[in-house]
Amino acid sequence: EPEVTQTPSHQVTQMGQEVILRCVPISNHLYFYWYRQILGQKVEFLVSFYNNEISEKSEIFDDQFSVERPDGSNFTLKIRSTKLEDSAMYFCAIDRLTNTGELFFGEGSRLTVL
Amino acid sequence: KNQVEQSPQSLIILEGKNCTLQCNYTVSPFSNLRWYKQDTGRGPVSLTIMTFSENTKSNGRYTATLDADTKQSSLHITASQLSDSASYICVVSAQVDMRFGAGTRLTVKP
Repeated sequence: EPEVTQTPSHQVTQMGQEVILRCVPISNHLYFYWYRQILGQKVEFLVSFYNNEISEKSEIFDDQFSVERPDGSNFTLKIRSTKLEDSAMYFCAIDRLTNTGELFFGEGSRLTVL
Repeated sequence: KNQVEQSPQSLIILEGKNCTLQCNYTVSPFSNLRWYKQDTGRGPVSLTIMTFSENTKSNGRYTATLDADTKQSSLHITASQLSDSASYICVVSAQVDMRFGAGTRLTVKP
């Protein structure tokens, strides 16, 4: 059973639309991460979330992005107004222990912005 | 600047052959180094994790080495199988900073 389940597996949206990607861990974890991977490129860090707060974010994570845990278990990434360049695989990852770098990745959500 | 460089960018080998992938890093202060395997369109899966004091760690046919002095790591794959075809990503952690390499794309042919 996967540590992390992501939904949707694939979403196609029009430029300017809002998108919400969801991540459900199998059990309670303190550390959550979102990464993205543009087709053919390296995995890029977006944001880390610890104890219900953003602990670190990259330059990519601008005002169009937000994260939250609306019900204490699901972990969401929202893109308010999608751009063409947001098309990518978005991976949620959890750290089973205390920020050791042992990340367990979900299968990813593929976002296609038209 | 914290960076992770991997080589080669891509590699094609015949089934049953061995291969070695390289990872050089400038991440500091070093915390740990991980090798991940990423199948196309899937999430990365951890193969090994190495801390400063570890030189070698094996996971089945995968053997990772670490030289903390030269800031180099390698991943050796023995007796390759078709299912080894994937991208192999080196990730180096420095306390709160985690840097991903661009990966090596390995193709194993019959």
